[in-house]
Amino acid sequence: DSGVTQTPKHLITATGQRVTLRCSPRSGDLSVYWYQQSLDQGLQFLIQYYNGEERAKGNILERFSAQQFPDLHSELNLSSLELGDSALYFCASSKGVDSVEQFFGPGTRLTVL
Amino acid sequence: AQKVTQAQTEISVVEKEDVTLDCVYETRDTTYYLFWYKQPPSGELVFLIRRNSFDEQNEISGRYSWNFQKSTSSFNFTITASQVVDSAVYFCALSERGSSNTGKLIFGQGTTLQVKP
Repeated sequence: DSGVTQTPKHLITATGQRVTLRCSPRSGDLSVYWYQQSLDQGLQFLIQYYNGEERAKGNILERFSAQQFPDLHSELNLSSLELGDSALYFCASSKGVDSVEQFFGPGTRLTVL
Repeated sequence: AQKVTQAQTEISVVEKEDVTLDCVYETRDTTYYLFWYKQPPSGELVFLIRRNSFDEQNEISGRYSWNFQKSTSSFNFTITASQVVDSAVYFCALSERGSSNTGKLIFGQGTTLQVKP
C-alpha cells in the first residue's frame, strides 16, 4: 500500500458527460501528479500540482482540468468525454516539487461508452 | 527533447529462461534519473528500481539485474530464470533534473512480458 488513495476505483459513463477523479496523497506529501494510461497514448504525464499551485503541464487536453485543495487532495475533472478518454488514470504523490521518489495510487479506470 | 523508447512491444518466454527488456532514453540534461516499474495484470504500478545519471554501477536484486550504460543511453533490465509471476507490463521511465523543476516521469511505451509454464 503506497498510502496514496484514489476514488472511485472504476467509473463508467457516457460520451459528453463530465466526471471528477479524486486523489489523496500520502501524509506529508505536497506534490500530486496525474498520469493517463490509454491504449493509444501509453502512460503519459498530464499535470503536476505542488502545494496548491500548478507546477508542470504535460499533454493534458483543454477539456481536462485539475486542482489541488488546501488539504492537499487533488481532483482531475474530465468534461465532454469522448470514447478515447477511456483509460486508467493514476495519481502519484511526492514530498517536494521535484522529489525523486513518487508513490503511485491504485488508479481509477474510466470507461466511456 | 526527452524520450524513452522500449522497442520490444511483447516478449514471450518459457519459464526458467532469462529475458532482457531494453530501454533507450534521450535527454539533454546531464542530471537525470531512470526507473523501471512493473504493472501486473491487477493494474497497479510497482516500483522496481531507480538510478541516477552519475551512478553507472550495475545492480542486482535477486533474479533481477539492471545494466546502465550512458555511452549508449540504455538502461536494460534482465530477469534471470523467469517465473510465471513475472508476467506483466514493464515500463522504463526518465525524470530530468537539470532543465526543469519538476519530478514528472516520462514513460516508455512498455514491454509486455509473458512467461509460459
